[in-house]
Amino acid sequence: DVKVTQSSRYLVKRTGEKVFLECVQDMDHENMFWYRQDPGLGLRLIYFSYDVKMKEKGDIPEGYSVSREKKERFSLILESASTNQTSMYLCASSPGVRTEAFFGQGTRLTVV
Amino acid sequence: QKEVEQNSGPLSVPEGAIASLNCTYSDRGSQSFFWYRQYSGKSPELIMSIYSNGDKEDGRFTAQLNKASQYVSLLIRDSQPSDSATYLCAASSSGGSYIPTFGRGTSLIVHP
Repeated sequence: DVKVTQSSRYLVKRTGEKVFLECVQDMDHENMFWYRQDPGLGLRLIYFSYDVKMKEKGDIPEGYSVSREKKERFSLILESASTNQTSMYLCASSPGVRTEAFFGQGTRLTVV
Repeated sequence: QKEVEQNSGPLSVPEGAIASLNCTYSDRGSQSFFWYRQYSGKSPELIMSIYSNGDKEDGRFTAQLNKASQYVSLLIRDSQPSDSATYLCAASSSGGSYIPTFGRGTSLIVHP
């Protein structure tokens, strides 16, 4: 079975802090994604990566950055956390083009 | 803008009935389609993938694809209260795209 693991299930951070969300997949997938999910807004793509050290902006990249130094790991960084970044963050991976994505368990981030 | 549309619901069905969930997509070149189930507070879980016109059955679930009408559906037979969740439809874009496009989901309630 594909396993996508996010480092934290729940996280509380203060405004202005730099926040790191880590994601690891164990199936040698090429692609990795970071989404946020808010009530009524569905899944919104923040960033994705199709190869090591390659990244592309999604629909809402502002205030975020990413890092993919190894194939299995994709990190999301909130440079300076703000209250409007309180959300459920979901990491996903997929093996190739036009293939299904597998999600991690999600990180519920609260910024106070 | 490539879109996947779903009725937000809630769709309410009695236990034992057939639940029918529908999805339309705007990108005529989409080739792969996916259904996910998401319980409240949890991450999306892949239920089925479908790539060809027609029906695909897996246990109590049947996915139906009609590319001419740009329509995908999910039927759940013998619905159970444990099927109560939000169901997300996703479509892969045409060409060499890595990113699936998600609908906002339909909430299903199965009442005893």
